[in-house]
Amino acid sequence: SAVISQKPSRDICQRGTSLTIQCQVDSQVTMMFWYRQQPGQSLTLIATANQGSEATYESGFVIDKFPISRPNLTFSTLTVSNMSPEDSSIYLCSVSTGGYTEAFFGQGTRLTVV
Amino acid sequence: AQKVTQAQTEISVVEKEDVTLDCVYETRDTTYYLFWYKQPPSGELVFLIRRNSFDEQNEISGRYSWNFQKSTSSFNFTITASQVVDSAVYFCALISGTYKYIFGTGTRLKVLA
Repeated sequence: SAVISQKPSRDICQRGTSLTIQCQVDSQVTMMFWYRQQPGQSLTLIATANQGSEATYESGFVIDKFPISRPNLTFSTLTVSNMSPEDSSIYLCSVSTGGYTEAFFGQGTRLTVV
Repeated sequence: AQKVTQAQTEISVVEKEDVTLDCVYETRDTTYYLFWYKQPPSGELVFLIRRNSFDEQNEISGRYSWNFQKSTSSFNFTITASQVVDSAVYFCALISGTYKYIFGTGTRLKVLA
């Protein structure tokens, strides 16, 4: 298993601003993912964070809105840019060794945009 | 198309009752894996079980048991003698050819003392 530290745990932000969320893992992992979970909803994959290269985004998510960095195998950041109230969600970092393996999740960042 | 359906949005039971959470999946792949995760109020998803498409044996782990039936494309989760600490949102998920998780919409379980 992996221990994932995600910061901040929660934040309230003004519309039009940006927030960067950090994800730190206690061991080197192959795959890192960022998910969004809107209130009372399921998890939606935003992107796969690739080490040393551009993230792979899912349909409906773009780099300008959700820039992602992954400088090494244990750390990644997700930025939510030019926020609007519709971005209010829980953002979750997840890691796995790839393939069909189980994933491990951080505690999430509860973002409220006012 | 791949899909996971958890038809039960919310279930309430009284402590010590047994409860079954339903999960129905769709995939055209012959190789796939099914998962259950628990999301307590603290927010992080906790891995409970992984099952591959070639292993239909039921599994029991303490008060938890899982029933996998390919004939009905179901992977149901039963908690025996439920406890208040079982209160959480439970997600069923599928990975097949794309190696990406497909999550169901979750079932919120409330166990009342």
